[in-house]
Amino acid sequence: QKEVEQNSGPLSVPEGAIASLNCTYSDRGSQSFFWYRQYSGKSPELIMSIYSNGDKEDGRFTAQLNKASQYVSLLIRDSQPSDSATYLCAVNDYKLSFGAGTTVTVRA
Amino acid sequence: NAGVTQTPKFQVLKTGQSMTLQCAQDMNHNSMYWYRQDPGMGLRLIYYSASEGTTDKGEVPNGYNVSRLNKREFSLRLESAAPSQTSVYFCASSEAPGGGTEAFFGQGTRLTVV
Repeated sequence: QKEVEQNSGPLSVPEGAIASLNCTYSDRGSQSFFWYRQYSGKSPELIMSIYSNGDKEDGRFTAQLNKASQYVSLLIRDSQPSDSATYLCAVNDYKLSFGAGTTVTVRA
Repeated sequence: NAGVTQTPKFQVLKTGQSMTLQCAQDMNHNSMYWYRQDPGMGLRLIYYSASEGTTDKGEVPNGYNVSRLNKREFSLRLESAAPSQTSVYFCASSEAPGGGTEAFFGQGTRLTVV
């Protein structure tokens, strides 16, 4: 079983809609969780980090963590064409492990 | 402030050739990582170095070796390149292993093995 699994994409949403991305992880002891955004041909960049159960909001982004279910999600509200990218879920428990990524396309 | 610098940006190798990918960071980070990225596979960890003087295997270490030359530099070596090693390689660094520390990435090296 891969350490970090993401829901398969691609995900296409209309402009202004909510994009919902999901991620599960296998190590129950993991403590640190991240969402990275990667534009085509570019390096990943951090958009959200979350360490405690519950929700964390930053602008149009909300990360949700449920350690009992080993589940992390990312919501993008009011999606914009500039949000079109691949979103990578990452878990940092001594080494930084990534999921396969979900490609999001926001259509105007 | 350069952050994480990788060289080269592009490279074409013939099967069986060797090469070293260089990575340097100027953020005084303790941990450094090498990943490869293939279509649909996300970032797969090749090797990491939690601190100067230590290295550990990641998910896909076969065919690679690494050297943590000092706190700033972490190199990845392909001793005998194979077409299966055609990929985009990313180096990253973070302040500490584990915990709530953000990783910063280099710009990537696009390697083609023919």
